[in-house]
Amino acid sequence: QVQLVESGGGLVKPGGSLRLSCAASGFTFSDYYINWIRQAPGKGLEWVSYISGSGNSIFYAASVRGRFTISRDNAKNSLYLQMNSLRAEDTAVYYCARDSHSGYHYYDFWGQGTLVTVSS
Amino acid sequence: DIQMTQSPSTLSASVGDRVTITCRASQSISSWLAWYQQKPGKAPKLLIYKASILESGVTSRFSGSGSGTEFTLTISSLQPDDLATYYCQQYDSYLYTFGQGTKLQIK
Repeated sequence: QVQLVESGGGLVKPGGSLRLSCAASGFTFSDYYINWIRQAPGKGLEWVSYISGSGNSIFYAASVRGRFTISRDNAKNSLYLQMNSLRAEDTAVYYCARDSHSGYHYYDFWGQGTLVTVSS
Repeated sequence: DIQMTQSPSTLSASVGDRVTITCRASQSISSWLAWYQQKPGKAPKLLIYKASILESGVTSRFSGSGSGTEFTLTISSLQPDDLATYYCQQYDSYLYTFGQGTKLQIK
């Protein structure tokens, strides 16, 4: 069955860096766009970034552009999010989520999330 | 960016009630709308896509309708397991935005 498992979250100081990972299984990873979507404590969902199956198409939300870098390793069935210059407002649970089987940008499978806390 | 507005923000209903949640888009998105259910402490789960198509494995108590700028999610007979926050999301155009959520409480 499809599984997405995030890791790498934790406590980091403002201005610091963190790298999140998402391990995928149960489907042909390279066939799918994968997204990072975050949720601040008690708040709604915010799309952060996506990467195409080949890695050739990448988009970011304005709030993270220039600070976050998404990447993938199809040989390892893994997705990454390098987060630099972290701010308090980046505190959130970060989910990786697969684009739909039909290729449209809604999300049919989600990981359980990993919590990133930015605080001094 | 397309803004998605849900109403109400909070809804309290009794087991067996018919429940409707509304989602409005700031411009037409045709039928490119999905609905998700998020239970406390869990990841969101896809319920409906293309406004009215039920995702495989989702109970038929959920249904969706609408097109253009106005959409609804309906639960035909509320069950205790439906306690959750519900989000709409448009995928008509980048940026693929979510509504702010509707928290459903059971009376």
